[in-house]
Amino acid sequence: QVQLQESGPGLVKPSETLSLTCTVSGGSISSYYWSWIRQPAGKGLEWIGRIYTSGSTNYNPSLKSRVTMSVDTSKNQFSLKLSSVTAADTAVYYCARVMWGMDVWGQGTTVTVSS
Amino acid sequence: DIQLTQSPSFLSASVGDRVTITCRASQGISSYLAWYQQKPGKAPKLLIYAASTLQSGVPSRFSGSGSGTEFTLTISSLQPEDFATYYCQQLNSYSFTFGPGTKVDIK
Repeated sequence: QVQLQESGPGLVKPSETLSLTCTVSGGSISSYYWSWIRQPAGKGLEWIGRIYTSGSTNYNPSLKSRVTMSVDTSKNQFSLKLSSVTAADTAVYYCARVMWGMDVWGQGTTVTVSS
Repeated sequence: DIQLTQSPSFLSASVGDRVTITCRASQGISSYLAWYQQKPGKAPKLLIYAASTLQSGVPSRFSGSGSGTEFTLTISSLQPEDFATYYCQQLNSYSFTFGPGTKVDIK
């Protein structure tokens, strides 16, 4: 079955750009929407944005100015870049497949913003 | 943006209890609502989509209802493995939103 795995640096300095990749295995990345979600420790879920395999994107308005998502169908991967990070961006970051709901999730990766 | 509220935010219940969680949207979202269960240290798990459709593999004690602005998640007989936090999510607009969550704890 389809599995997702997030990867990227666990520590990012303030003002720098957070970069994460989600690798899709066990199925094709094509013809689906894919999302990024984050969760600060002890808090709720925040939807970051979604990307279709054509490259079409929608972002959370509160993060839109700092977020860029991209997709690489040849590698079965999609990516997140979040610029100008602060401590408030410290969270567990999840990737997920979007259908009528988010039916497949990665295990999550913790990103800490600190100097 | 469409905002979601959940009530209660915290619920204390016993094994065997019937539990109902409510999710309200700030504007109509038809049936574009999903429910998730999250346990500590784990990714959320999809329980219900399209407001009332049970995700494959999810026990039938979970059910969802509602449309428009008011939705409910019901657990007909709470089991030990059901103690967790539950989130609703709207997928109606181009900007998805999660509710703040309802933590279900052991009484």
